[in-house]
Amino acid sequence: SQKIEQNSEALNIQEGKTATLTCNYTNYSPAYLQWYRQDPGRGPVFLLLIRENEKEKRKERLKVTFDTTLKQSLFHITASQPADSATYLCALDMAGGYNKLIFGAGTRLAVHP
Amino acid sequence: GAVVSQHPSWVICKSGTSVKIECRSLDFQATTMFWYRQFPKQSLMLMATSNEGSKATYEQGVEKDKFLINHASLTLSTLTVTSAHPEDSSFYICSARDRTVSTDTQYFGPGTRLTVL
Repeated sequence: SQKIEQNSEALNIQEGKTATLTCNYTNYSPAYLQWYRQDPGRGPVFLLLIRENEKEKRKERLKVTFDTTLKQSLFHITASQPADSATYLCALDMAGGYNKLIFGAGTRLAVHP
Repeated sequence: GAVVSQHPSWVICKSGTSVKIECRSLDFQATTMFWYRQFPKQSLMLMATSNEGSKATYEQGVEKDKFLINHASLTLSTLTVTSAHPEDSSFYICSARDRTVSTDTQYFGPGTRLTVL
């Protein structure tokens, strides 16, 4: 069956450390993988997109890796801050047609001062 | 940056009534808009994809006669939950693609919290 898995348990880290979130998928062949941030009661906010032929993408303190062999993406936040506390969603972009996104359930990140 | 709005942000209604939710792209034209539903602590589930001027494409298991979608213009899509029941209570989120941008980014609205009593 097709699955997207993100750590269901919250990730608690100390301010200044690097947060690493994992997204694994099975029986999908996405063209792209996207990461979003979602705050409680709000819609998702786009962070990064990485294509299947890209190994790594960076944006300021964010870094995403994409391993299509392992079917895994890692999302890193360096020098984390309490303001980074939120739920982070990965989404598979199947491309073709209307670019349907298939979301994971998200991992809640809590950065403590 | 691209902004998508939703109205209302929250709504409470009685069982059996219909509720309309609007999704607008404020500073760009959207060829395609998407409607999602999210239950607490769960992922966003795509309900349907709508293109301006054509019928929406519904995902498996989503009743098209219950969730009516109208994409009347390049900046407005509406979702009407007909004969709402308590199990329809959820967080409804729309997203839109900018027709002028070649990237595949979807811009999400802030969501609408629907509570059916």
